[in-house]
Amino acid sequence: GENVEQHPSTLSVQEGDSAVIKCTYSDSASNYFPWYKQELGKGPQLIIDIRSNVGEKKDQRIAVTLNKTAKHFSLHITETQPEDSAVYFCAARPLYGGSQGNLIFGKGTKLSVKP
Amino acid sequence: DSGVTQTPKHLITATGQRVTLRCSPRSGDLSVYWYQQSLDQGLQFLIQYYNGEERAKGNILERFSAQQFPDLHSELNLSSLELGDSALYFCASSVGQGGAFNYGYTFGSGTRLTVV
Repeated sequence: GENVEQHPSTLSVQEGDSAVIKCTYSDSASNYFPWYKQELGKGPQLIIDIRSNVGEKKDQRIAVTLNKTAKHFSLHITETQPEDSAVYFCAARPLYGGSQGNLIFGKGTKLSVKP
Repeated sequence: DSGVTQTPKHLITATGQRVTLRCSPRSGDLSVYWYQQSLDQGLQFLIQYYNGEERAKGNILERFSAQQFPDLHSELNLSSLELGDSALYFCASSVGQGGAFNYGYTFGSGTRLTVV
């Protein structure tokens, strides 16, 4: 089945710097890749997603890139702010297998933005 | 407020006991998904229901079961609880049934289960 690896597990940046989180997936048939932000005491919240027919997508300070050949995708946050501090999860949706159609998550990256 | 309601927020119980976690999906959503979040395993997919029927199963233990009722709320039943079942349990909902339609998920705030 699908397996999603996420790196790094922790990331500390200075306010204003950029942050990059990378994920790889194993199932080449996966076709949807969302990113979620989880703040302390809350459930994960969708912040951006990308479909397999698109290479890059931007939304203000965040962007996601997808390399289908290499089976990896990345989250880029520019001009980081203290409120960006949270745990970020990547996910992939496989089309086949027992978890068909359901999101398989990476283990998360704890991002800390220092003022 | 995401629109997905989970109760209770916290639950403390003893080993061997049985508990029921409840989820009300966002209005209009037909699919409900259950995930388990533990410190070292991230978000693990347990099970999905769509409009009352089971659609997909992940790594759900035989001691765990779920159902979705006609009003679309869902319950996750955990029995013969062990210390290792302590985790955050999240419910998410979506409009469609997943797969090729790529519908986004909306998560609830979770139920923190502590088994002592």
